[in-house]
Amino acid sequence: DVKVTQSSRYLVKRTGEKVFLECVQDMDHENMFWYRQDPGLGLRLIYFSYDVKMKEKGDIPEGYSVSREKKERFSLILESASTNQTSMYLCASSAMEGLIDEQYFGPGTRLTVT
Amino acid sequence: AQKVTQAQTEISVVEKEDVTLDCVYETRDTTYYLFWYKQPPSGELVFLIRRNSFDEQNEISGRYSWNFQKSTSSFNFTITASQVVDSAVYFCALKDDQAGTALIFGKGTTLSVSS
Repeated sequence: DVKVTQSSRYLVKRTGEKVFLECVQDMDHENMFWYRQDPGLGLRLIYFSYDVKMKEKGDIPEGYSVSREKKERFSLILESASTNQTSMYLCASSAMEGLIDEQYFGPGTRLTVT
Repeated sequence: AQKVTQAQTEISVVEKEDVTLDCVYETRDTTYYLFWYKQPPSGELVFLIRRNSFDEQNEISGRYSWNFQKSTSSFNFTITASQVVDSAVYFCALKDDQAGTALIFGKGTTLSVSS
């Protein structure tokens, strides 16, 4: 079974803190994604990566950065957390685009910034 | 631009009722893929189905069925004889050449099934 794990289910941080959200997948997938989910807005893509050290901006990259130093790990970084970044963050992975594989999701991290 | 619309924000039904979740999509591409995901209260999105644009056959899997109609750009999802365990948020998603690797998600429909 594909497994995507996220470092924390719940996280509380203070405004201005640097926040790291970690995601690890065990299926040797090339593609990895970070979404945020907000009520009434659905899932919105923040960043994705199609290979190690490669990244592409999604729909809402402002205030975020990412890092992919190893194939299995994709980190989302909030350089200076703000209250409007309080949200559910979902990580996903998928195989090569050519195979049109579905995305497999982790359990999510609910981040609260106070 | 690509877009996925799930007009129903919330639906409430009683167990054993049938329920249909609507999904309407927009794309300029002739090759595209449509997906449905389920997000139970635990939070993890679970893949339900993938359909490509060249396959308009309806699909049935147990109590679940999907109706894909290119003429109306719709990919609706029906649950027959709903159960409490079907309570979840359901997302429809689109992938086409413009979107590339990413999925375009609808805003989701929250289904509540009461006993």
